[in-house]
Amino acid sequence: DAGVIQSPRHEVTEMGQEVTLRCKPISGHDYLFWYRQTMMRGLELLIYFNNNVPIDDSGMPEDRFSAKMPNASFSTLKIQPSEPRDSAVYFCATQAGGISPLHFGNGTRLTVT
Amino acid sequence: GQNIDQPTEMTATEGAIVQINCTYQTSGFNGLFWYQQHAGEAPTFLSYNVLDGLEEKGRFSSFLSRSKGYSYLLLKELQMKDSASYLCAVNDYKLSFGAGTTVTVRA
Repeated sequence: DAGVIQSPRHEVTEMGQEVTLRCKPISGHDYLFWYRQTMMRGLELLIYFNNNVPIDDSGMPEDRFSAKMPNASFSTLKIQPSEPRDSAVYFCATQAGGISPLHFGNGTRLTVT
Repeated sequence: GQNIDQPTEMTATEGAIVQINCTYQTSGFNGLFWYQQHAGEAPTFLSYNVLDGLEEKGRFSSFLSRSKGYSYLLLKELQMKDSASYLCAVNDYKLSFGAGTTVTVRA
């Protein structure tokens, strides 16, 4: 398996622009997580899905953030409008379920100027 | 909510042993995980504990005491490539991470 695939690897955009991050999970993994990592706040859970259904979005910082999982093979995290404080590395991770480990994608490094 | 504490930094010499402690307070518990993260890379899974006791995996071991809310990761025979951040993560109904411990291995 190719693992969790995220795109793009790097994104540089100007404040106010819309940003869309993409994730392709490992086939057969029922859980999908979006995390954000910064030096100040570490690795924060934004939202997670089970069988394509959002279960907990309490970590989503503001209404500017939204996430979707239209099918088992694809998820997006959208920021509209983006702000400089959104600059971070965004990771998608998937899990087979139960107490199995999370598998992380390589992340998207977002820079908002 | 969850509270996960681990030291910020540790330094050790190549070939030595280092122990990274993690204490946690959670509303529920469904396992504790350790991840390794090299600079600029994604976290990778090292080990997990669900029951009390020691889990050994080559040069890495992890210990859990649920009654004390305590775990440690033991790295033996340190190598330069072990220089990385080590993240303690607790699973209640979702996986929450500590801030990570940066381990620097000196020659």
